[in-house]
Amino acid sequence: LAKTTQPISMDSYEGQEVNITCSHNNIATNDYITWYQQFPSQGPRFIIQGYKTKVTNEVASLFIPADRKSSTLSLPRVSLSDTAVYYCLVRDTGRRALTFGSGTRLQVQP
Amino acid sequence: NAGVTQNPKFQVLKTGQSMTLQCAQDMNHNSMYWYRQDPGMGLRLIYYSASEGTTDKGEVPNGYNVSRLNKREFSLRLESAAPSQTSVYFCASSWESSYNEQFFGPGTRLTVL
Repeated sequence: LAKTTQPISMDSYEGQEVNITCSHNNIATNDYITWYQQFPSQGPRFIIQGYKTKVTNEVASLFIPADRKSSTLSLPRVSLSDTAVYYCLVRDTGRRALTFGSGTRLQVQP
Repeated sequence: NAGVTQNPKFQVLKTGQSMTLQCAQDMNHNSMYWYRQDPGMGLRLIYYSASEGTTDKGEVPNGYNVSRLNKREFSLRLESAAPSQTSVYFCASSWESSYNEQFFGPGTRLTVL
């Protein structure tokens, strides 16, 4: 069972870059790493997914080292609207479904 | 497209009552999921349906049943509600169960007294 570990909370200020690191020591060869964002009273929303090296989209970048035992979500120049809970997930190979951890609560201040 | 819709949005039950949570998606996705989220916690998978006609247990299936009515609809039933089932319930869908991008509905807030 591929479990993830990430910080419980982080604080930042508007305009700063935020990096959230997740460890997944038991990741399987075929697993992808996925990050979701959840605002209060809403369902989670897909942000980015990757297998190795670096992936970038219009919202974030995802850095994955060669051993794939960790990954880092990078949010450039955060704003107040980026205040949310961020979940790092890897596919649960036993259940063929995703397993959500407790996530990282990001608080962005003015 | 509405995406994933859930009904009702809010519900209050008494212990022992039954109810069905409805979920529908209009994205032609093959796989659908039910999660619960307790206050301050992450989501936990209750049941999922990899494709029409199949269902599988997730992490916390006890006390729940599901029905994949057709490709669009996946319902969750509580036969005898308990206070421990007070939670927010999210339905989600994806192209395939092995594909990581899931699309979530707005959730149903359920309180069991």
